[in-house]
Amino acid sequence: DIVMTQSPDSLAVSLGERATINCKSSQSVLYSSNNKNYLAWYQQKPGQPPKLLIYWASTRESGVPDRFSGSGSGTDFTLTISSLQAEDVAIYYCQQYYSTPFTFGPGTKVDIK
Amino acid sequence: QLQLQESGPGLVKPSETLSLTCTVSGASISSSNSYWGWIRQPPGKGLEWIVNIYYSGSTYYNPSLKSRVTISVDTSKNQFSLKLSSVTAADTAVYYCARHRYQLPEVPYYFDYWGQGTLVTVSS
Repeated sequence: DIVMTQSPDSLAVSLGERATINCKSSQSVLYSSNNKNYLAWYQQKPGQPPKLLIYWASTRESGVPDRFSGSGSGTDFTLTISSLQAEDVAIYYCQQYYSTPFTFGPGTKVDIK
Repeated sequence: QLQLQESGPGLVKPSETLSLTCTVSGASISSSNSYWGWIRQPPGKGLEWIVNIYYSGSTYYNPSLKSRVTISVDTSKNQFSLKLSSVTAADTAVYYCARHRYQLPEVPYYFDYWGQGTLVTVSS
């Protein structure tokens, strides 16, 4: 199984400041034949299902604000919220879809400082 | 707009079988670009993928649960269903159904539509 880890476990950022979340996979999720990273990011607010933010490591889902961006390749990935808004308070998960079983990171909780 | 809705008992006794159904609206469950899956989340914990099914019946299972999981699809009702046998307290979780975006000939990709989830508690 590909094990996903995230850091930090939680972070508190002032409104308007940058939040950075890291995700690491135990093996590469870069598929060499198409040069795509099989990595997605989700946002989960309390009492709600996860919401897809980013797929292919850096492609924003339709309707997701452009303050959310994804980067990285291979085994190391980053989700950046460029200017934190109050509505961004949530837990963020990364997920690999390179191979089964599909696995999620443990989550990073983002709060307002 | 594609929507998914889970239904089923909220309380299951230990050693019995958990049964849930997901009703899909706004799209055909027979879509060629979709697998349909179940993911669960124990209270206060992270997400665990359980199983996926294609309308044709092709499936992917999480090996950690495979021996206890049955998944089926009913294209006439636009529904798919999960059964988890021999449940214990460790199976207490919010169970989500979701669409797993797919393109031949690969494994399914990311989960782009989710149901609201249903809490299933295992207790006598």
